[in-house]
Amino acid sequence: EAGVTQFPSHSVIEKGQTVTLRCDPISGHDNLYWYRRVMGKEIKFLLHFVKESKQDESGMPNNRFLAERTGGTYSTLKVQPAELEDSGVYFCASSALVASPLHFGNGTRLTVT
Amino acid sequence: DQQVKQNSPSLSVQEGRISILNCDYTNSMFDYFLWYKKYPAEGPTFLISISSIKDKNEDGRFTVFLNKSAKHLSLHIVPSQPGDSAVYFCAASDRGSQGNLIFGKGTKLSVKP
Repeated sequence: EAGVTQFPSHSVIEKGQTVTLRCDPISGHDNLYWYRRVMGKEIKFLLHFVKESKQDESGMPNNRFLAERTGGTYSTLKVQPAELEDSGVYFCASSALVASPLHFGNGTRLTVT
Repeated sequence: DQQVKQNSPSLSVQEGRISILNCDYTNSMFDYFLWYKKYPAEGPTFLISISSIKDKNEDGRFTVFLNKSAKHLSLHIVPSQPGDSAVYFCAASDRGSQGNLIFGKGTKLSVKP
C-alpha cells in the first residue's frame, strides 16, 4: 500500500510569492489533514477534510492559506502571498476513519526568504 | 498556551535498558492519546495509542501508561534498541475533534550501543 505522498519535498520562495503544496492520501482514505511545524515549535493542526468537504478548518492561520480537495482525492494547500513566518514543514496525513491513527507524509519544507 | 507538554527535549539511554518518555496535558476533555515516532526528513509514524477508559496499553516492546488524575502519560520502551533513536511526539485529542491532534514539542531519544 502506497503511503501518503507530498510534493514538493522542498520549496524556497521569496516573500510575496505564491506556493502550492500537494498531498496524495492513501487510496480509500476519506479523511485528509494538513498540519504544520514551524521551527522549534510543536506540530499544529491546520484543517481536516472528509472527502471533498472541510470538516474543521479552525487551525488555518489566516486567509492567505487556501486548501482544496476537489473530487475528494488529492488536496492542495496554497499560500498566497507567502510571508516569512510561513516557513516550516507542512505535513499531510490521512486516515480511513476519524478515530483511526493518522498516517503522515514526509512533509514539504517551505522556506520563505 | 501548550495543552500537551513534553518537558524533556532529549533523553539518552543505553541499549538494552528501559526508555521512559513522559508527557503531561492540561485539557481534561482529552480522551485519546497517541505516541508518534519521527526520523529526520520523514513524517511522524504512529506507534501506540490509549483511550481514557484504560490506564495501560502494550504492544511488543512499547507500553503506554495513562494517569488521568495526574493528567500524565508515559511511553516505556524495553529493551531499547539503537533503531529506536528518533524524536517521539505525544499527541492528544477529544471525542469531538478526533482528527485535530494536539502535539507536544517532542523528545529526542538516543539509544547508545
